[in-house]
Amino acid sequence: AQKITQTQPGMFVQEKEAVTLDCTYDTSDPSYGLFWYKQPSSGEMIFLIYQGSYDQQNATEGRYSLNFQKARKSANLVISASQLGDSAMYFCAMREVNRGTGAQKLVFGQGTRLTINP
Amino acid sequence: DGGITQSPKYLFRKEGQNVTLSCEQNLNHDAMYWYRQDPGQGLRLIYYSQIVNDFQKGDIAEGYSVSREKKESFPLTVTSAQKNPTAFYLCASSNWAEGVYEQYFGPGTRLTVT
Repeated sequence: AQKITQTQPGMFVQEKEAVTLDCTYDTSDPSYGLFWYKQPSSGEMIFLIYQGSYDQQNATEGRYSLNFQKARKSANLVISASQLGDSAMYFCAMREVNRGTGAQKLVFGQGTRLTINP
Repeated sequence: DGGITQSPKYLFRKEGQNVTLSCEQNLNHDAMYWYRQDPGQGLRLIYYSQIVNDFQKGDIAEGYSVSREKKESFPLTVTSAQKNPTAFYLCASSNWAEGVYEQYFGPGTRLTVT
């Protein structure tokens, strides 16, 4: 079974600072995908960034980058120049494939609540 | 605009009643999912469906039922057998085709059972 671990229940950061949210994963599959989602207080889930296990370079999307260390099985999210609007819950997730049926689903971590202070 | 709609946004029910949560998508996605989220927690998978007329149990299927009669619709019924039904329910869809990796989410339904 696959597993996602987010060890930081809460993070407090000053506005404009960079912040790193930790995520480690456990899988025996050679092919997998890692996702980060943002959930504001409204409850919607906003896709931020994706990293495939065979991708050679770390994924980047604007102020978001994914620090992918395959040997350590970590996929940390880095937010540069944090803004007040970045305050939210952040979830790391991994795509799991049922080898028998081919069905795909996401397994989520417990999340990290990020608070940006002015 | 393409997307996923869930209705209603807030739902209140008395204990012992079954309740059905709606989820509709116009993204032409094959796969649809239902998650439950408790306060301060992550998402847990209830049921998922890869194609019409087929669905699989997720990690916490007990007390829930689903149907997938149409590609665009995946309603979730919370039955009276679900011991703690009060939660935030999120529906999602995806097409896991090559180069398409994102799972799209609806706005969610907050269910309160008293």
